[in-house]
Amino acid sequence: DAKTTQPPSMDCAEGRAANLPCNHSTISGNEYVYWYRQIHSQGPQYIIHGLKNNETNEMASLIITEDRKSSTLILPHATLRDTAVYYCIVRNRSARQLTFGSGTQLTVLP
Amino acid sequence: ETGVTQSPTHLIKTRGQQVTLRCSSQSGHNTVSWYQQALGQGPQFIFQYYREEENGRGNFPPRFSGLQFPNYSSELNVNALELDDSALYLCASSLIGTGDQETQYFGPGTRLLVL
Repeated sequence: DAKTTQPPSMDCAEGRAANLPCNHSTISGNEYVYWYRQIHSQGPQYIIHGLKNNETNEMASLIITEDRKSSTLILPHATLRDTAVYYCIVRNRSARQLTFGSGTQLTVLP
Repeated sequence: ETGVTQSPTHLIKTRGQQVTLRCSSQSGHNTVSWYQQALGQGPQFIFQYYREEENGRGNFPPRFSGLQFPNYSSELNVNALELDDSALYLCASSLIGTGDQETQYFGPGTRLLVL
């Protein structure tokens, strides 16, 4: 699976959009981009995933660049409960496991 | 729809003992994956069970073993516990066979402390 690079930490003001970047320059054509988050000491929570096109669900939007070498997770109106570690994971369609990196610690400030 | 559940929530063992952790998969799912998360690190894949067989394994020694039952629930067994086995153990369930890449949904985890 391709490696990902994320900033170690980011802050965001409550009510504003949180934009979390992820670089995956070695991604191959059959690899998906997944986002999970983990609130302190809880299990990771699935957020969204995509292959080529931008995706949106009730939690977030995923924007993937045309060359697929980077992506951005957007939380449109961040709340204090969105404070968590966010993991960007690139995963081959046939892979059994999720390979977690260090993630980005997002802190939403009041 | 019932989510992934794990038991117990916390556990304390001593070095050399054996431990069994349990996981009930989300309803409709047929696959269970286990992960170990040491403090301050991301989860590491231990193995996956599908159709009651091991279906992929990470870089963990044989003293980490598992089972999957006909109702798709699963157990993780760790023998000869070491201090470094202290971690949060996560179970994730998914559905193989839908023709799309399956998404894994995690349970709340079991916190194991080895003294």
